[in-house]
Amino acid sequence: QVHLQESGPGLVKPSQTLSLTCTVSGGSINSGDSYWSWIRQLPGKGLEWIGYIYRSGTTYYKPSLTSRVTISLDTSKNQFSLRLTSLTAADTAVYYCARVPLSDSRGAAGPVDSWGQGTLVTVSS
Amino acid sequence: DIVMTQSPDSLAVSLGERATINCKSSQTLLYFSNNKNYLAWYQQKPGQPPKLLISWASTRESGVPDRFRGSGSGTDFTLTITSLQAEDVAVYYCQQYYSTPSLTFGGGTKVEIK
Repeated sequence: QVHLQESGPGLVKPSQTLSLTCTVSGGSINSGDSYWSWIRQLPGKGLEWIGYIYRSGTTYYKPSLTSRVTISLDTSKNQFSLRLTSLTAADTAVYYCARVPLSDSRGAAGPVDSWGQGTLVTVSS
Repeated sequence: DIVMTQSPDSLAVSLGERATINCKSSQTLLYFSNNKNYLAWYQQKPGQPPKLLISWASTRESGVPDRFRGSGSGTDFTLTITSLQAEDVAVYYCQQYYSTPSLTFGGGTKVEIK
């Protein structure tokens, strides 16, 4: 059973950059059978996929966030990270890291089968 | 992007009664090559991350009670809780994974006890 745990600051000032790390245990991010993803949940609202990364380093981002987001891997630590720049209050959310298994022969992403507990990030001065 | 629309936003159901949640996608989620619908359902309880209940529109994950049933195809899908239990109070989300790499979720349906 894979376990994911987010870490990073809970409070970030407007215009600054958010950096979060996800530590994976019980499985390898180098396994090749999954994408490693960041998803956020705005207060009292639904879920928004931010992007994910494959073991090769290939990344996919939500188009509306692509200019501000970077996801990277550290296979030596079995971690992956999120960097989100130019923060505003609208980025205040619970940020989840998650595993998204490949679902078919196309290499399509499947449903999210494992989630971290989530970390609340508040953007405020 | 594929837009996922859930209805209703919330519903209150008596214990033991049926709860029905609808999810509509803006384009088909049925992939012709494998005849599978790329649609999942999640349950989220307060303070917890979502939990995957159903994938491929109707396949329950291991350990999910059989009172949770997914149905539908193409653009219209339904999650039915056949006999609501107290522990089923939660918000339920549908999610498409057809338009890989993008993933999109419905807005959620809150289920409460009447």
